[in-house]
Amino acid sequence: DAGITQSPRHKVTETGTPVTLRCHQTENHRYMYWYRQDPGHGLRLIHYSYGVKDTDKGEVSDGYSVSRSKTEDFLLTLESATSSQTSVYFCAISGGLADYEQYFGPGTRLTVT
Amino acid sequence: TQLLEQSPQFLSIQEGENLTVYCNSSSVFSSLQWYRQEPGEGPVLLVTVVTGGEVKKLKRLTFQFGDARKDSSLHITAAQTGDTGLYLCAGGLESNYQLIWGAGTKLIIKP
Repeated sequence: DAGITQSPRHKVTETGTPVTLRCHQTENHRYMYWYRQDPGHGLRLIHYSYGVKDTDKGEVSDGYSVSRSKTEDFLLTLESATSSQTSVYFCAISGGLADYEQYFGPGTRLTVT
Repeated sequence: TQLLEQSPQFLSIQEGENLTVYCNSSSVFSSLQWYRQEPGEGPVLLVTVVTGGEVKKLKRLTFQFGDARKDSSLHITAAQTGDTGLYLCAGGLESNYQLIWGAGTKLIIKP
């Protein structure tokens, strides 16, 4: 299994508060991704990174920012959480033998009240 | 906008039956992957197909990539309760390393 951890695994927060989710990998893979998964929508890409300090937006990036200061860490920040950001968030990595094969972390369940 | 349509969205069958899940698009993909996700966990890669017409087998699971590389199927023979889960297909594009995801097929195998 790819070495990917996410923290926290569960979080409940109030509307308007900032939240940071962390993804940590031990595989030295180049690419990292943040997805959200909601019933009826499947996996939707929020942001991705193609190297240290190199990031770009995905299809649902509004309200989210990311940072990657080290190869192994990719942070997702909700600047001011809203109830519509209640979701399960997955981090994924790729960049092994096949760049397109993604390996996922265990997910973070975020509830915004 | 590239889309990957999966069907059926939901399938509930008895143990021992066969089933097929489909993934279709109007786009050509350089690769097509199938993932399986269990409740409370992240998706796990099952297989990648890259050549038009390619067939791969993983025990009772057979994966096929269409000749034109626009579609794929997953066939499960003699389904078992352990096959229960959400099956996701994802298409890779030549131009970048991102994936186009299908919405998933929720499969329930009843004992």
